[in-house]
Amino acid sequence: KQEVTQIPAALSVPEGENLVLNCSFTDSAIYNLQWFRQDPGKGLTSLLLIQSSQREQTSGRLNASLDKSSGRSTLYIAASQPGDSATYLCAVRRVNDYKLSFGAGTTVTVRA
Amino acid sequence: EAGVTQSPTHLIKTRGQQATLRCSPISGHTSVYWYQQALGLGLQFLLWYDEGEERNRGNFPPRFSGRQFPNYSSELNVNALELEDSALYLCASSLGFQGLAGVGELFFGEGSRLTVL
Repeated sequence: KQEVTQIPAALSVPEGENLVLNCSFTDSAIYNLQWFRQDPGKGLTSLLLIQSSQREQTSGRLNASLDKSSGRSTLYIAASQPGDSATYLCAVRRVNDYKLSFGAGTTVTVRA
Repeated sequence: EAGVTQSPTHLIKTRGQQATLRCSPISGHTSVYWYQQALGLGLQFLLWYDEGEERNRGNFPPRFSGRQFPNYSSELNVNALELEDSALYLCASSLGFQGLAGVGELFFGEGSRLTVL
């Protein structure tokens, strides 16, 4: 069974600071890893998808890295803004298993 | 291009009743996934459909069931509702096994909030 852990559970930073969100998973035989954002009471918005053959993906101020051998991914958000306040979820898909396993998320608050 | 759409947005039922939730995937997507997100809990995988067939099922009782129609839309049925079924039900879609570009990326709808009284 794939276990996905996200640390810390919550994070509060002043505006402009860089954010570092961590995700670890127990089974390294993964197909891909996806980062999502969820606003309170809303659905999930896909941020970045990293295939198992990739080391990182970038989109604007977001950068996600993947170290499959150590079972870790890190999401970096540069120059945080109050609008970045949300819960960030990491999800991992095992090889030949199209079911995504989600972490519990990191709730981020960016203070103006 | 329309994203994943879910209906209804909110649904209130009483214990013992049945609830039906609907999902329309992104055009071209053949896989549909259902997840439950109860208050204070993480996303729990319910069901996965692809090309009209159930491909995988999470650890939920049989009163949670669903189906996928020929147009790839999907329906989730919850029978004999219990109080603990109150949750946000999220549907997601992706390209299926035959898709090459962006294979595996999931796109979620806004969810249906089910309240059981």
